[in-house]
This record gives sequence, C-alpha cells and structure tokens, in this order.
Amino acid sequence: DTAVSQTPKYLVTQMGNDKSIKCEQNLGHDTMYWYKQDSKKFLKIMFSYNNKELIINETVPNRFSPKSPDKAHLNLHINSLELGDSAVYFCASSPVQTSDYKTQYFGPGTRLLVL
Amino acid sequence: GESVGLHLPTLSVQEGDNSIINCAYSNSASDYFIWYKQESGKGPQFIIDIRSNMDKRQGQRVTVLLNKTVKHLSLQIAATQPGDSAVYFCAENYGGSQGNLIFGKGTKLSVKP
Repeated sequence: DTAVSQTPKYLVTQMGNDKSIKCEQNLGHDTMYWYKQDSKKFLKIMFSYNNKELIINETVPNRFSPKSPDKAHLNLHINSLELGDSAVYFCASSPVQTSDYKTQYFGPGTRLLVL
Repeated sequence: GESVGLHLPTLSVQEGDNSIINCAYSNSASDYFIWYKQESGKGPQFIIDIRSNMDKRQGQRVTVLLNKTVKHLSLQIAATQPGDSAVYFCAENYGGSQGNLIFGKGTKLSVKP
C-alpha cells in the first residue's frame, strides 16, 4: 500500500564510503525528487527527474548522483561520504497534470549518519 | 509563528483551541502553495493547497489563507488535537517544468492536553 517507499530507513557508515539509497513509488507518477533535511529541519531540493529531464540543484556536490532504472524508481548514490552529509534524505514524487500545479508526495525518509 | 532566525519557531496551544501558523513566502511569481505536516520520524504529509487565484481554501478542520500583497500564507487548524502536534511547512511552487517547490523553515506545533 505504501505510495513512496525508501530503503534503508537508517544508514550508518564511515567517512569516505560510497552508499546508495533506494526509492520506489507505486503512484504512477512521472516526476521524482530527492530532498535533504538538515538538523534544523530545513528541506532543500537536491534533484528533480523525469524520463526527459534531470534538474540538479547547483549547490549539490557532484558526489551525489541520481540513477533511475525505470519510471517508478529513483535511487541516490553518494560517493566519498563526508561528515556533513549526515542528514535525513527524502524521496518524493508528483504526477503529470494538465495544469502546472504539482503536489509532491513524500517517502518516510532515510536517516544517514556519517562517522 | 513565522520562520525567522536559526531556531525552529514553536507554537504551543491548548487542546481544543484554534491554531494559526504563519508563513512568509519569497517569490512574488509563485502561483501555487502547499502546507505539509511532518510528524516525528516521518516524511512530510500533504495537508492542503491553494492556487494564487484564490485567497482562501477550506479543508477538514483546516483553512489556508493567502495574501499575495504581502506574500503571506497562513494555516488555521480548528479545535486542535494532540495528533496535530508536528512540524508544519509551507511550500511555494515557483514554476518551471518540474513544478519545483521551495520550502519554508517550518513551525513546530505542540498541543497541550
């Protein structure tokens, strides 16, 4: 029944490692997103992606890369993890509508801790 | 309850009272706004939205008011319940092909039983 799901829920890893977070949506949406939420609860867009266009927030380091095997999945790969990468990462999706108004639906989050 | 400074603003209300959470948005060209509720350990959950051609919209126990003149958005929760305790975010859609959202800094609502 879960609309937007993420795995793992918790991820604890060492600095310098490479890790991936997976996201899947069963809503039939065409656009998916990754957000980072810091310790102050501030939510910031990292990427938005559909099968036609990837939009990258220019402040996101190139150690972060989204990978989409199909329309229902958008995974986040992180290379050479740093302490500052510790945060909660949220995946979201939104439908293609005839209007320009797109509500986004969020997953439960992945809590990443880099030691 | 506006999001200013480094600390998450907190609004504390008594159960049964009405709550008003405020948000100042940044882009005068934004044409769509959403309120999200985030409970502890969970992802943001859609509450209600409003388009810029409206100034008020009502849902179940919630009302969103939009004042484009001063770029202000508010969320009113009637008869606040303990289950309403959460962090509330406003988000504005600044357009573009992906409908990207800019989130405000959030307001923590605490409901006292």
